[in-house]
Amino acid sequence: QVQLQQWGAGLLKPSETLSLTCAVYGGSFSGYYWSWIRQPPGKGLEWIGEINHRGGTNNNPSLKSRVTISVDTSNNQFSLKLSSVTAADTAVYYCARGLEKETFHYQYYYMDVWGKGTTVTVSS
Amino acid sequence: SSELTQDPAVSVALGQTVRITCQGDSLRSYLATWFQQKPGQAPVVVIYGKNNRPSGIPDRFSGSTSGNTASLTITGAQAEDEADYYCNSRDSSGNHLLFGGGTKLTVL
Repeated sequence: QVQLQQWGAGLLKPSETLSLTCAVYGGSFSGYYWSWIRQPPGKGLEWIGEINHRGGTNNNPSLKSRVTISVDTSNNQFSLKLSSVTAADTAVYYCARGLEKETFHYQYYYMDVWGKGTTVTVSS
Repeated sequence: SSELTQDPAVSVALGQTVRITCQGDSLRSYLATWFQQKPGQAPVVVIYGKNNRPSGIPDRFSGSTSGNTASLTITGAQAEDEADYYCNSRDSSGNHLLFGGGTKLTVL
């Protein structure tokens, strides 16, 4: 059974860089998309970005160039860096595995395995 | 469009049927995934693809799509179904992911 274990600093000061890592246990790294999602307190889910096993990335345009997602296939890990954090970046951050399927009639994408979440607080 | 729109809150009487909807142009290209999230927990997939349920999800959960609207239907809602529900799909470009704003389901 695939599990995602995530870790990283939970308390940051404004302007610092958020850094989180997610390790994949019990399954293949290739053939999937690996995403970061966050959820501010009391609010909804926001997709941050994704990476595939070849290192190709897509990011949420709203976060512009602050996001860097990288992959370490030798250790089955992927990481998130978010620069110049502010209080607005305070959230629970999740990593997740994504899978895309396409048939002749339709296509879909779903994230079937999630990490437990890491609470990140930005405060001076 | 780069948005998925959900009603913020829906209520249902115990044992009755409720439909939660999600609207967005991207749903004409990509089928929606539905997540259930309970307080303090990570989201859990309840419906993906063309009405597929992961192992362990009760068959009272079902999904459908018509045009730009995806629907999650709970037939015979139970107290444990009280949660936040989010829809999710690729955007029309296929390069980004979208989440709906979430629907808080209350079971009365």
